[in-house]
Parts: sequence; C-alpha cells; structure tokens
Amino acid sequence: DTAVSQTPKYLVTQMGNDKSIKCEQNLGHDTMYWYKQDSKKFLKIMFSYNNKELIINETVPNRFSPKSPDKAHLNLHINSLELGDSAVYFCASSVEPSTGVGAFFGQGTRLTVV
Amino acid sequence: AQSVTQLDSQVPVFEEAPVELRCNYSSSVSVYLFWYVQYPNQGLQLLLKYLSGSTLVKGINGFEAEFNKSQTSFHLRKPSVHISDTAEYFCAVWTGTASKLTFGTGTRLQVTL
Repeated sequence: DTAVSQTPKYLVTQMGNDKSIKCEQNLGHDTMYWYKQDSKKFLKIMFSYNNKELIINETVPNRFSPKSPDKAHLNLHINSLELGDSAVYFCASSVEPSTGVGAFFGQGTRLTVV
Repeated sequence: AQSVTQLDSQVPVFEEAPVELRCNYSSSVSVYLFWYVQYPNQGLQLLLKYLSGSTLVKGINGFEAEFNKSQTSFHLRKPSVHISDTAEYFCAVWTGTASKLTFGTGTRLQVTL
C-alpha cells in the first residue's frame, strides 16, 4: 500500500495552461505539505495544511493554489504555467506539526513546462 | 529562523570505504534533525532522525548520525558504503515553532568500484 501517492508522476504542458497535481495519504496523518524541488535539487516548502486548514504559505505566486477537500487529500492547482514552474513537486504528510517525527514523501511529480 | 548547511555538494567514494556527509544547522530553539535519501527519480526516504536522548542515532541501511549540540552538527556516517548507496542525501531540521522541515541543499554521494 502506497503511503503518500501523487498523480500524475510526469506532466508536460505548454506555457499558459492550467494544471493540477493530486495527492493522497492513507497514513491517517493530520498534516500535509507541498514541496518544490528545483533543477539544483533544492527542496523548499510551498504550503502546509493541518486538518484542512492552511498553516504555512511560503512566498508562492498566487497562480499556485492548494486545495484540501479532506485531511487525506491535498491537491495543487497551478494557473497560467510558466517555464520557471518546471520542477519536481513533492507531496508529504506527517502526524502533526509539533511531533517532529518527520514527514513521509510521495514519489514526486515532474512538471515540465514547454 | 532555522537553516541547514551541507557544505559538500558532492562526495565521491570507493565501494567499501567509510563516508561522512556533513550537516550543520542554526536555530534559536530546540530542533529535531533528520537525514533523508533520494535515489534517482525517486521520492525522499527517511534514513534516520534525532528527536532527543542519545546523541548517536542509527538508521536504515547501516547509516548512523551523531548530534553535536555544541557544534550544531548532525553528520551522517557509514563505515562501508555500497554501490547502491549512490544517491542524494538531504539533512533537514524541524522546529515546533516553524512547523515545517527546512532542508539543506543536498550532498550527492557517488560510490564507485
């Protein structure tokens, strides 16, 4: 059973399009995250949700909008895609923000904007 | 604010040799520390973590790390590496106040025969 699953794994799209990445976790965790990994492998948090509530929103363009329909899902919608959005996007989940037990990561979605 | 520094972007090593990947952090509050491994085209997998207690923590695949509060370091070690250990290794810090993992820039471990 996959703990944190993301779809799609690969996404190639043209500039200006709108796309969504889905994430689901079956671990019963309260908190979910989106991280972006750039071409130099640098990982940076974008958003964090705890029980469907947004708790972290790092300086991310408004074109990126997370949506959490329930605590097992956190989707990422991106409007008007730009070349610079090309990256690997990782979804993650953890028990709760303060336990420090670490986060479980999905396999990533490689987004290529052409 | 918390930050993590991984000084070595790449570490080449021969198979069966020992390796140490360095990690230093800065934080004004107590931290939890983690090492994650990313194999090519894969997600991140937790190797080990330090939350409290013994400063020497053991993880999967024969890795261990030592928390040194005075030097604000959390270096990762393995006494004998295998080809299969070739991957990107990330050190990360977590504080309750920030409620997020902050990652270092990663160290590419390249194991060759």
